[in-house]
Amino acid sequence: NAGVTQTPKFRILKIGQSMTLQCTQDMNHNYMYWYRQDPGMGLKLIYYSVGAGITDKGEVPNGYNVSRSTTEDFPLRLELAAPSQTSVYFCASIRGGGASTYNEQFFGPGTRLTVL
Amino acid sequence: AQTVTQSQPEMSVQEAETVTLSCTYDTSESDYYLFWYKQPPSRQMILVIRQEAYKQQNATENRFSVNFQKAAKSFSLKISDSQLGDAAMYFCAYRSGSTSGTYKYIFGTGTRLKVLA
Repeated sequence: NAGVTQTPKFRILKIGQSMTLQCTQDMNHNYMYWYRQDPGMGLKLIYYSVGAGITDKGEVPNGYNVSRSTTEDFPLRLELAAPSQTSVYFCASIRGGGASTYNEQFFGPGTRLTVL
Repeated sequence: AQTVTQSQPEMSVQEAETVTLSCTYDTSESDYYLFWYKQPPSRQMILVIRQEAYKQQNATENRFSVNFQKAAKSFSLKISDSQLGDAAMYFCAYRSGSTSGTYKYIFGTGTRLKVLA
């Protein structure tokens, strides 16, 4: 299993440009999450999904959109990029339910995004 | 709403010594889980240790152990025999129990641990 993969690893955007951060997991996990991590800070939840076709907002959703058409993929769309969106973005997944009560969260390697 | 607080932005420890990182949290829930994650310079988030709130026994993983004080809502991480490879950012995280249906995590702001040779 590759686990959680994210592309690209790095990206520089100009103000006003748009892009999609890709996230794929091959563990058949139901739950997927997008976080942003600003320098020297913890992770803040942007959006999450509890299954294909179901998404919901986290703490900091403004300026972002998501979709979940398949179990495996959970892309994050940035529309009209702003310098405040300069951050490292992490995708994560959890199997959810079942006998595994702790449900470990698996993280992707992150995408470093700079908006100039 | 739940909150997680790490009041130590940075800590230092001598190699082979013991260090304790602090974490407090606030919740009105009775069913939840607590975690410590390590983030080295590679940025990869690595699970260090986890604790189920319903368990009174403190979790231990090799050189890592926790002091879980449920009534005080405190969850500290003790690293024994510190090694150079332990240098990283450490994040405390809270997750509601499975009855919440979302498995959302709340992270603290992190503690940067430096290990001195």
